[in-house]
Amino acid sequence: GEEVAQTPKHLVRGEGQKAKLYCAPIKGHSYVFWYQQVLKNEFKFLISFQNENVFDETGMPKERFSAKCLPNSPCSLEIQATKLEDSAVYFCASSRPPGAGSFYEQYFGPGTRLTVT
Amino acid sequence: KQEVTQIPAALSVPEGENLVLNCSFTDSAIYNLQWFRQDPGKGLTSLLLIQSSQREQTSGRLNASLDKSSGRSTLYIAASQPGDSATYLCAVKSGGTSYGKLTFGQGTILTVHP
Repeated sequence: GEEVAQTPKHLVRGEGQKAKLYCAPIKGHSYVFWYQQVLKNEFKFLISFQNENVFDETGMPKERFSAKCLPNSPCSLEIQATKLEDSAVYFCASSRPPGAGSFYEQYFGPGTRLTVT
Repeated sequence: KQEVTQIPAALSVPEGENLVLNCSFTDSAIYNLQWFRQDPGKGLTSLLLIQSSQREQTSGRLNASLDKSSGRSTLYIAASQPGDSATYLCAVKSGGTSYGKLTFGQGTILTVHP
């Protein structure tokens, strides 16, 4: 597609439950990024992928967070045993592969709002 | 560690005014800088991207400048309209890789009143 798609739009989980978020990058884009937006405007980078390979995972809280990008499937971000502090909007972004006309711009999806109660 | 600061945090202006939003970053070794717009409850819309070798970019009523050596960028909005009301975010991609992560500022909440 021509836009980054994220599902679901909203997700409510009780503390301790699992949450799984999905992202379909723009067709032809080979880089995927996940960001967490908390407290209105505080963005935190979580992880990025080059195709199905992890590119940078320096922002991931590894004990409960995991992510995958498998061929022919939406990318996913999974949170095991959610905590109240995981309540945030999770954004996915994608970028074109190297080549003519590529300025490595990141295109963002609409986000998934996760509420942990 | 790259840190990005935006001032002012909020701005309220009457329709028709020209305005400037400021962004500063601590590490001048950036790859590029993007300005985004975020409407309440929505995702991010990319407004302008400036490569580290560029000084400015223009799109319609928007003009973004970059002074890499001093760690500053400004977003100039001409003849503001109520539809410009949104949060404006500055994000930098630090040097080293063209596919690096973005580091965001806290944003400027802009209100343009009729």
